[in-house]
Amino acid sequence: LAKTTQPISMDSYEGQEVNITCSHNNIATNDYITWYQQFPSQGPRFIIQGYKTKVTNEVASLFIPADRKSSTLSLPRVSLSDTAVYYCLVGVRMIKAAGNKLTFGGGTRVLVKP
Amino acid sequence: EAGVAQSPRYKIIEKRQSVAFWCNPISGHATLYWYQQILGQGPKLLIQFQNNGVVDDSQLPKDRFSAERLKGVDSTLKIQPAKLEDSAVYLCASSLFGTGEQNEQFFGPGTRLTVL
Repeated sequence: LAKTTQPISMDSYEGQEVNITCSHNNIATNDYITWYQQFPSQGPRFIIQGYKTKVTNEVASLFIPADRKSSTLSLPRVSLSDTAVYYCLVGVRMIKAAGNKLTFGGGTRVLVKP
Repeated sequence: EAGVAQSPRYKIIEKRQSVAFWCNPISGHATLYWYQQILGQGPKLLIQFQNNGVVDDSQLPKDRFSAERLKGVDSTLKIQPAKLEDSAVYLCASSLFGTGEQNEQFFGPGTRLTVL
């Protein structure tokens, strides 16, 4: 499985856009990039998944450059409730995947301040 | 739709004691996972079930940890005997299928274990 590297922590303020970049230099051709969010005292929750270019949903956007060696999760106009740990995972696609084994790294702790 | 249920939410035991955790997955989900999350780290997969069969238990410390899912629905994870380093949050997750469509994993709230 490709190893991921992401910042340990980030601070932001309400209403700002938060961008978290994840490095995955050894990503394989069939690997997808998936982000999970974890609030204190809760289990992780799926946010978004992508393979290349840009993916957007109601929560976030995921930007993936052509070489796919990194990806950036973008959280628009964050609020205090977006304070959480965000995990970048690289591996088989969430859908139509055999085994669906998730390997979590240390994650990025995002603190949103008023 | 009800989420993944886990109990107890908190447990404090002394080292060398035994402990068991229970998980009830989302109805209809064939695949069930147990993760261990040590404070400050990401979750680590311990074991994965597909219905009542084990798919992956490569990271389960089998000398002290055991898990079962006898009827392919709910599951128990047991530690016997517990060590100090077992202090962690134990997360249960489920997904509709292990392969094919709808593979998103849904996590429960976890059981926080403290071993003294």
